[in-house]
Amino acid sequence: GIQVEQSPPDLILQEGANSTLRCNFSDSVNNLQWFHQNPWGQLINLFYIPSGTKQNGRLSATTVATERYSLLYISSSQTTDSGVYFCAAPEETSGSRLTFGEGTQLTVNP
Amino acid sequence: NAGVTQTPKFRILKIGQSMTLQCTQDMNHNYMYWYRQDPGMGLKLIYYSVGAGITDKGEVPNGYNVSRSTTEDFPLRLELAAPSQTSVYFCASSYYQRYEQYFGPGTRLTVT
Repeated sequence: GIQVEQSPPDLILQEGANSTLRCNFSDSVNNLQWFHQNPWGQLINLFYIPSGTKQNGRLSATTVATERYSLLYISSSQTTDSGVYFCAAPEETSGSRLTFGEGTQLTVNP
Repeated sequence: NAGVTQTPKFRILKIGQSMTLQCTQDMNHNYMYWYRQDPGMGLKLIYYSVGAGITDKGEVPNGYNVSRSTTEDFPLRLELAAPSQTSVYFCASSYYQRYEQYFGPGTRLTVT
């Protein structure tokens, strides 16, 4: 099945800093999702991004499907951005189950 | 729309007990999924369904059963609970294959 790797595993920032999270995947994919898991455990959909670039407020994402990676940019980080960021890519079988990376643990300090 | 809802939010089971985790979606999605998340890990698929009456196994189906009698509901049954089933369980749905998946708030289960 598809392999999904995320980097860095941990990231500590001061409020106001910018950051880039990376997601590499082993096979070509039809879509890719980014999630934020907040400290209460909720999984929040950030982006559904098969290719190209999307922006939502201070967050943006770029997927380059031909090179098998996706990037999540967080600008002017806030303490509420803390949590774990997951990327996930679908398998072609199993009803397109999502294969998740191991996540990037982001801590934003005031 | 409420989206994907799950009950209960928390549950503690004794070894050998059984329980059903409930999942409902009101988005008229065809596909539904059950994932589990162990501490510090990503999610793994337990079972999925492509429509009412049709279910199939995912990566980690042992110890679980599912049914799908309606489009909206997709309950997960744990028989003979074991400590290895201590985890957070997420239900998800999508309109169709490869479409965006939406997740419920999760059920935190402890088996002691």
